[in-house]
Amino acid sequence: DGGITQSPKYLFRKEGQNVTLSCEQNLNHDAMYWYRQDPGQGLRLIYYSQIVNDFQKGDIAEGYSVSREKKESFPLTVTSAQKNPTAFYLCASSAGSRGDTQYFGPGTRLTVL
Amino acid sequence: QKEVEQNSGPLSVPEGAIASLNCTYSDRVSQSFFWYRQYSGKSPELIMSIYSNGDKEDGRFTAQLNKASQYVSLLIRDSQPSDSATYLCAGSGGGADGLTFGKGTHLIIQP
Repeated sequence: DGGITQSPKYLFRKEGQNVTLSCEQNLNHDAMYWYRQDPGQGLRLIYYSQIVNDFQKGDIAEGYSVSREKKESFPLTVTSAQKNPTAFYLCASSAGSRGDTQYFGPGTRLTVL
Repeated sequence: QKEVEQNSGPLSVPEGAIASLNCTYSDRVSQSFFWYRQYSGKSPELIMSIYSNGDKEDGRFTAQLNKASQYVSLLIRDSQPSDSATYLCAGSGGGADGLTFGKGTHLIIQP
């Protein structure tokens, strides 16, 4: 089955800890994206990557980092510098990066204890 | 003007009626448009995409695009309780950062 997987589904973090959220796709898509969703806020773009070994900051990149070492994988690290990390994190991919349809993974719900 | 705007709702529609969801957009995101459905606690799933002026139909769903007035709408015919969800409108200006999403409209279908 082709699709996007995210793990874990739920993640709990203590203040001051870094955590990494996994995103893998087997759709052979070039572009991948990370969004954050808070209640009433819609989707906000954190980082995006058009090709391997290249990525750009989105609207709310502060406190986050990413890597794109493989086409299939785009992990997101939530660092201790992110002051309010509790949110629903969504990974998406698209065949191209310029307005193509984006398909979403199931999401990771991060809670800071 | 925000780039993609939607009325947050809730929009309440009786079962079997037509639900009409609307979205307006700015010049920056005017090339292609998408409607996603999101159930509570789940990720968005694509319903429709539309690229040119006019109507596009897929089953009970019809997307309408009017570039002159800068709005895009989604009609759901014969609404079912399972259609109750938040509907996200997204637009693209063709930039490398992909899509810009509205905050979504919460739709409730009353049995």
